[in-house]
Amino acid sequence: NAGVMQNPRHLVRRRGQEARLRCSPMKGHSHVYWYRQLPEEGLKFMVYLQKENIIDESGMPKERFSAEFPKEGPSILRIQQVVRGDSAAYFCASSMGQDQPQHFGDGTRLSIL
Amino acid sequence: DAKTTQPPSMDCAEGRAANLPCNHSTISGNEYVYWYRQIHSQGPQYIIHGLKNNETNEMASLIITEDRKSSTLILPHATLRDTAVYYCIVRASTTSGYSTLTFGKGTMLLVSP
Repeated sequence: NAGVMQNPRHLVRRRGQEARLRCSPMKGHSHVYWYRQLPEEGLKFMVYLQKENIIDESGMPKERFSAEFPKEGPSILRIQQVVRGDSAAYFCASSMGQDQPQHFGDGTRLSIL
Repeated sequence: DAKTTQPPSMDCAEGRAANLPCNHSTISGNEYVYWYRQIHSQGPQYIIHGLKNNETNEMASLIITEDRKSSTLILPHATLRDTAVYYCIVRASTTSGYSTLTFGKGTMLLVSP
């Protein structure tokens, strides 16, 4: 499967714990985007990264959320001290270039107990 | 960002053509029209995009009016697996040369036997 790979598919955390979501872009894609979909709502842009650089994080909450896309390995979306309101589906997308179509993974569904 | 307007839901009989409309009357000259769909519990799937000319690929056809204020996505022979939420998105351009995707509520297409 040469598509965007996200893991885990489902993640359960208790309030106050940390959540780490991983995304491996499609082969040849160096642009990664993270989106969040709250229950019964549309996808909302969070952050756009290229290798080792954050290009746009205008959609990221100011606290507890961070993202990285290291030179080697997958992109990571990290949520510290999770709260109930963080429960959502988190989708990663990748593209070959800035103006190329974004292709999405099947998401990580985060549930906070 | 140019706003899009889509009907909340549509029905289509299996084997018939599904024509999904989208209004984007405030679209700018350098903005593309993108279509994605999201099947339940999966990530959004890229379908097609266009600027001013009609486009066709193995999944669908995109018809854009001459004034670019509206477009129609055509699935020529709908199958039950085409049941999904279809999103019409006008891709916003930024001064940095990249653009994020802004998802609205889309159209829920139900294909019935």
